[in-house]
Amino acid sequence: GQSLEQPSEVTAVEGAIVQINCTYQTSGFYGLSWYQQHDGGAPTFLSYNALDGLEETGRFSSFLSRSDSYGYLLLQELQMKDSASYFCAVRDNDYKLSFGAGTTVTVRA
Amino acid sequence: KAGVTQTPRYLIKTRGQQVTLSCSPISGHRSVSWYQQTPGQGLQFLFEYFSETQRNKGNFPGRFSGRQFSNSRSEMNVSTLELGDSALYLCASSSAEKGSYEQYFGPGTRLTVT
Repeated sequence: GQSLEQPSEVTAVEGAIVQINCTYQTSGFYGLSWYQQHDGGAPTFLSYNALDGLEETGRFSSFLSRSDSYGYLLLQELQMKDSASYFCAVRDNDYKLSFGAGTTVTVRA
Repeated sequence: KAGVTQTPRYLIKTRGQQVTLSCSPISGHRSVSWYQQTPGQGLQFLFEYFSETQRNKGNFPGRFSGRQFSNSRSEMNVSTLELGDSALYLCASSSAEKGSYEQYFGPGTRLTVT
């Protein structure tokens, strides 16, 4: 089966940098995705890593190390609107997505 | 392009009843996945349909079922409702034929079982 671990909560101030780690154990691996979900909203896609390395999209970056079964999402120049839950998700051999339990990021003024 | 829509948005049912939830994917998307989201368990995969066929199924009892129509719209059904079925049910669509890491989620149906 699939197992993904990520921290449950992170708190930081505006302008800071936050790193959300995700470690996974899966039967087959086809990539690591990240989703953002605001309270009361639907999850929205942020990024995807199929290969090792860093992918940058604006203030957000995502990193993957397949040999370590590890990835992270980096949120830079934090803004109040970044307060949300962030989920890592892994595609397995059957192409379905398994999600981590989510990390609640709270940004303080 | 219109996003994923789900109906109804809110639903209150009694234990033992059954419920049907509906999802309309983004136009052109043929894959629809369903998830159950609860505070304690996070996002749990229910099943995925592609071109009217169930392609994947999560670890849920047989009371949870679904189907997909020729226009890619999908429904999920939960029979003999239990209190523990109270959750946000999300559907997501994607365009990739082989399953997609990028899924577009609907707003969800909030089901409360009393």
